[in-house]
Amino acid sequence: GAVVSQHPSWVICKSGTSVKIECRSLDFQATTMFWYRQFPKQSLMLMATSNEGSKATYEQGVEKDKFLINHASLTLSTLTVTSAHPEDSSFYICSARVPGGGLQSYNEQFFGPGTRLTVL
Amino acid sequence: AQSVTQLGSHVSVSEGALVLLRCNYSSSVPPYLFWYVQYPNQGLQLLLKYTTGATLVKGINGFEAEFKKSETSFHLTKPSAHMSDAAEYFCAVSDRDDKIIFGKGTRLHILP
Repeated sequence: GAVVSQHPSWVICKSGTSVKIECRSLDFQATTMFWYRQFPKQSLMLMATSNEGSKATYEQGVEKDKFLINHASLTLSTLTVTSAHPEDSSFYICSARVPGGGLQSYNEQFFGPGTRLTVL
Repeated sequence: AQSVTQLGSHVSVSEGALVLLRCNYSSSVPPYLFWYVQYPNQGLQLLLKYTTGATLVKGINGFEAEFKKSETSFHLTKPSAHMSDAAEYFCAVSDRDDKIIFGKGTRLHILP
């Protein structure tokens, strides 16, 4: 299957600093990537949809100025948490969609291993 | 709007016993349905998915699920539980814009 990587796998930062998380599709080109966050013992919540070469689409309640998403190439999307605060501590997971298919078929998403962010 | 309800945040079964994790969905269009497994501090692994065709779907590690439209259900089963099955399981639904909506998850405990 297709492989998606995330870097770093974990990061600890001080309150007020910015943190960048990378999501890469290793063996396929992904025109669309998705970013999720997962609080401890809770489900994944979609934050935004990232399309290569265009602005990300954010879900309701997600601050686009705080969570900056850049999808500059077909294999890389980045999530930058700006001015991080302790409440931003979470597990961030990305997924990448395999291109192709059509209106009647499903384009499978493959998930990265996640990045655990701890803000002190 | 789509939604997923997983009944039971925790399920315990004995090793060798039947595993049944329940999932009901709501969707205004024919749904795509998924089961994912998550081990501690790891990402998600797809167990199985239903898109079209046969309603009984077989996945990895001996799991299977049946899409029942009349009951809006997609329950996950495995005939005989193994200790390595202990993990968090997420049921999910998607429509054609590919957004995946996850249920709250069910933690499966395997008793020796």
